[in-house]
Amino acid sequence: GENVEQHPSTLSVQEGDSAVIKCTYSDSASNYFPWYKQELGKGPQLIIDIRSNVGEKKDQRIAVTLNKTAKHFSLHITETQPEDSAVYFCAAMDFNDMRFGAGTRLTVKP
Amino acid sequence: EAGVAQSPRYKIIEKRQSVAFWCNPISGHATLYWYQQILGQGPKLLIQFQNNGVVDDSQLPKDRFSAERLKGVDSTLKIQPAKLEDSAVYLCASTLGQGGANVLTFGAGSRLTVL
Repeated sequence: GENVEQHPSTLSVQEGDSAVIKCTYSDSASNYFPWYKQELGKGPQLIIDIRSNVGEKKDQRIAVTLNKTAKHFSLHITETQPEDSAVYFCAAMDFNDMRFGAGTRLTVKP
Repeated sequence: EAGVAQSPRYKIIEKRQSVAFWCNPISGHATLYWYQQILGQGPKLLIQFQNNGVVDDSQLPKDRFSAERLKGVDSTLKIQPAKLEDSAVYLCASTLGQGGANVLTFGAGSRLTVL
C-alpha cells in the first residue's frame, strides 16, 4: 500500500518568512495529493490540492508543487502570518485509498 | 452547507468498557470514512462506506471495532472492549462520490481517552 513520509515534523518561522513542507510517496498509482491544516480541537481542513496531471498550483499565499518522477510534492506558504500556525498534513490517494503523512507542526512567531 | 457532524466530542472510559461514536455526513455525500488519529500522527483509515456498503475495512481491528451505516446516511463506530491504545481522536469524513476526484471533508472528531 501507499506510504507517505513528511518532513520536517516541526517548523518554526518568523512572521513574513516562507515555510516549505515536503512529502514523498511510494505508490506510482497515486493521482491526488491534498494538503490539510488542522487547528487544535478541530478536524483537518483542506487548504489546497493537486492532481497528477498538474505540476504546480497556487492559491494566494499557498502553493503546491508535484514531481511525479521523483514521487514528491511540497507545500509552500509565503508571507506567513501567526494564524498560519497549525499542524499541516499531506496525503496521497489512488482511486480509493488515501494515506496521510505524520504531520508538520508549523509555528509562526510574531 | 452544514458540515460533517460528530458526537460525542469527548469521551473518557475505562479499559474493557465499550463506546460508540456517531457521524452524520454532509447531505448527499455517498462515501463515508472513519479515521483514527493518535496524538502526533496523521489520520489512519479504519473503514470506508459507499452508501451502506463497506468498500474497505482492511485496517479495522475487527475483534473489537465495528461500524455500520444502515441507511446509507448516518454511521456509528463502536469499540468493545476498549484498550489503552485506542485512546485517539476518531474522525469521520465524507465525499460526494468515490475516488480521488472528490474532496474529503472532515468532522471535528471525537476524542477518546481510555484509562
